[in-house]
Amino acid sequence: QVQLVQSGAEVKKPGASVKVSCKASGYTFTSYDINWVRQATGQGLEWMGWMNPNSGNTGYAQKFQGRVTMTRNTSISTAYMELSSLRSEDTAVYYCARGRFGEFGWGQGTLVTVSS
Amino acid sequence: EIVMTQSPATLSVSPGERATLSCRASQSVSSNLAWYQQKPGQAPRLLIYGASTRATGIPARFSGSGSGTEFTLTISSLQSEDFAVYYCQQYNNWPHLTFGGGTKVEIK
Repeated sequence: QVQLVQSGAEVKKPGASVKVSCKASGYTFTSYDINWVRQATGQGLEWMGWMNPNSGNTGYAQKFQGRVTMTRNTSISTAYMELSSLRSEDTAVYYCARGRFGEFGWGQGTLVTVSS
Repeated sequence: EIVMTQSPATLSVSPGERATLSCRASQSVSSNLAWYQQKPGQAPRLLIYGASTRATGIPARFSGSGSGTEFTLTISSLQSEDFAVYYCQQYNNWPHLTFGGGTKVEIK
């Protein structure tokens, strides 16, 4: 069946970087966009950016420009989201979502905790 | 950036009653509007896209309406499994997506 399986929880210190993976299965990885969305505890959903796994083209929310990088490895059907210069406000669950606007399903989420 | 505003923030409803949730866009998003349901500890689940089309497997008690800047999600008769947080999302400005702040539907 179609799945997006994300990497496990991470604990990082302020100033560090984190790289979250999203492994796709059950469909042709390069046929659907991947979006990344995050959610701080008790807060709403925040779109971070988009990637076309076929071309590698990306688009980022202005808030994250310069700090986020979205990449992929098509040979293993995996998308990645790297966020740098982490601060405490980046503590959140990070989701990958398939489709132009995430309409074809989401990963289970990855908790990233930023703490000294 | 298109700002999405949802109201109310919290809606208290008794099981079996009707719930009406609102979403307003800061500028027209045509019908490029989706609604998601999120339960604690789970990823969001798509309910409605194109403002009014139910996603696969979504019960008929969920309906969406509106276009332009004003949208509504109606749950005709609330079931116990419907108590959750609901988000609207615009994708008219693709790839720049934005979500509303959410409406929590709680048991009255």
